[in-house]
Amino acid sequence: DQQVKQNSPSLSVQEGRISILNCDYTNSMFDYFLWYKKYPAEGPTFLISISSIKDKNEDGRFTVFLNKSAKHLSLHIVPSQPGDSAVYFCAASAGSGAGSYQLTFGKGTKLSVIP
Amino acid sequence: EAQVTQNPRYLITVTGKKLTVTCSQNMNHEYMSWYRQDPGLGLRQIYYSMNVEVTDKGDVPEGYKVSRKEKRNFPLILESPSPNQTSLYFCASSLGAPRYEQYFGPGTRLTVT
Repeated sequence: DQQVKQNSPSLSVQEGRISILNCDYTNSMFDYFLWYKKYPAEGPTFLISISSIKDKNEDGRFTVFLNKSAKHLSLHIVPSQPGDSAVYFCAASAGSGAGSYQLTFGKGTKLSVIP
Repeated sequence: EAQVTQNPRYLITVTGKKLTVTCSQNMNHEYMSWYRQDPGLGLRQIYYSMNVEVTDKGDVPEGYKVSRKEKRNFPLILESPSPNQTSLYFCASSLGAPRYEQYFGPGTRLTVT
């Protein structure tokens, strides 16, 4: 049973426009969410995170929105740049107990930013 | 330079031949973890360690062993590799629980024939 779902395997966006990557989760114990970016032949790198006590977190061109009632989060990249072309993974962690030491990832969305 | 190193980067082996993939971090991180990445399945957690001598299973621990005798090292052991363990493996470390930013190694591509 997939607890973190990224239903779009790929996304193409024109340079300068907004990229919106979506993520849904089913486990109501998840209370911390992270986005990682991965280039080919490299390990993932941390991008941005959000706690369930917030509904928005911004870092430069990257903003993550969390809708707890819908169990949905999204990553907005504005403006998109060709260097943003990568695979983006959504990940989630539970707040307490053994679950707080586990990290569950989605399958990833491959973003292509077209110059 | 702060980093997570993995060795080897590439390995081709045969079914049943024991192997170890090493992982080392130089950031004095408490938490370390192993993941495997497979096409269409994303990243899945194999094992994690909260501190020295403290390890626990992730989502896909079958066929793997780990040990954490020193803070900086967290080797992944495949006692009897099988073809379904052919995958891309990543080691990661962070200050504490994975809600903290994790630093990933460059990956080890393992092929078991």
